[in-house]
Amino acid sequence: AQSVTQPDIHITVSEGASLELRCNYSYGATPYLFWYVQSPGQGLQLLLKYFSGDTLVQGIKGFEAEFKRSQSSFNLRKPSVHWSDAAEYFCAAPFSGGYNKLIFGAGTRLAVHP
Amino acid sequence: DTAVSQTPKYLVTQMGNDKSIKCEQNLGHDTMYWYKQDSKKFLKIMFSYNNKELIINETVPNRFSPKSPDKAHLNLHINSLELGDSAVYFCASSQDEPGWGSYEQYFGPGTRLTVT
Repeated sequence: AQSVTQPDIHITVSEGASLELRCNYSYGATPYLFWYVQSPGQGLQLLLKYFSGDTLVQGIKGFEAEFKRSQSSFNLRKPSVHWSDAAEYFCAAPFSGGYNKLIFGAGTRLAVHP
Repeated sequence: DTAVSQTPKYLVTQMGNDKSIKCEQNLGHDTMYWYKQDSKKFLKIMFSYNNKELIINETVPNRFSPKSPDKAHLNLHINSLELGDSAVYFCASSQDEPGWGSYEQYFGPGTRLTVT
């Protein structure tokens, strides 16, 4: 079955440290991939998306993600984390059956230590 | 200007009551969605409407009934509320575009429903 997997439920980093959040997908064709961020008490905000072309995509708030077909991964990175980055991060991919339906990963909660 | 708005933000009610949540988007999008986020933050789609037509209806109890009076609005009515309905409900919208563009969804701030 189609799936989006975020292996890390909870990650803690120190402010200023680098960050990588993992996302793996199972999909027949090259997928359209998303990362969303949910700050505490807020809705989801689109950080970045990948459709095709350059496998390294830039997003808002200094985030980037790299699509690696060989590893079926779309990991999110940030070189220097700020305390305001503490949030829940979701990776998502389209449902292969269409209907504009997204399949979300279970999310990774990021905590930032001062 | 709020792109996708929901009311109310918080809703506390007793078991057995009927309640509604309203959603409006001013993005001119064609498709709107309702998601449920449980206590473990897992997001699951419930319904989707495209131009007032229901296109996704996941396995949701028939106590949940969406209504789309027009393209910009999608409401969710819940009958006979149960404890297990406690969750955060998100509305979202997307624009119909060729290819994968229609999967880019914009979310509202959520409605936290607590059933006691």
